[in-house]
Amino acid sequence: AQSVTQLDSHVSVSEGTPVLLRCNYSSSYSPSLFWYVQHPNKGLQLLLKYTSAATLVKGINGFEAEFKKSETSFHLTKPSAHMSDAAEYFCVVPRGGSTLGRLYFGRGTQLTVWP
Amino acid sequence: SQTIHQWPATLVQPVGSPLSLECTVEGTSNPNLYWYRQAAGRGLQLLFYSVGIGQISSEVPQNLSASRPQDRQFILSSKKLLLSDSGFYLCAWSRQGASSGANVLTFGAGSRLTVL
Repeated sequence: AQSVTQLDSHVSVSEGTPVLLRCNYSSSYSPSLFWYVQHPNKGLQLLLKYTSAATLVKGINGFEAEFKKSETSFHLTKPSAHMSDAAEYFCVVPRGGSTLGRLYFGRGTQLTVWP
Repeated sequence: SQTIHQWPATLVQPVGSPLSLECTVEGTSNPNLYWYRQAAGRGLQLLFYSVGIGQISSEVPQNLSASRPQDRQFILSSKKLLLSDSGFYLCAWSRQGASSGANVLTFGAGSRLTVL
């Protein structure tokens, strides 16, 4: 079965420093993978998606993620954090390779950005 | 452009009372529709999805039900709420078809339910 594990429940960084949010996946084949962001009391917004076209995926707001099959990882990065990046981030994989939105969400990583 | 609306945004209900949360999508036709719940300490869980009018699939056994009376309307209901039904309920839609876009979800702003 497909699943993801987010390795950190909380990450704190200073504004202007790099962000790294870690995600490992488990899948019997090369999956699609997504990162979503949720600001407090808001719905989720798609940051970026990997669908096997290119291993380095660029998303919105300066975020990017690299699919590494050898490490079964899909870590989210940003070179320089901004205060507005403070939110919860979810690594996501379709369940059972589904082409529907039957998604398996990681437990989330809360990102705090200090001024 | 497509938009998704959920209401009410917040709801406080006593145990045993009924529930109705509504979701509508604009700007697209024949969407796949979903209800997810985000409960404290339990992450996001898919409750129901629908690929067409009157077609509802349930992912987990629970006290809730869903209906899709119109193409772009999705309703989450309960006859008698339990304390454990408290949470943040998110409606979402995706495109139909077997392309990768069919599992890319666009979420509504959510409905926060507190059962007392």
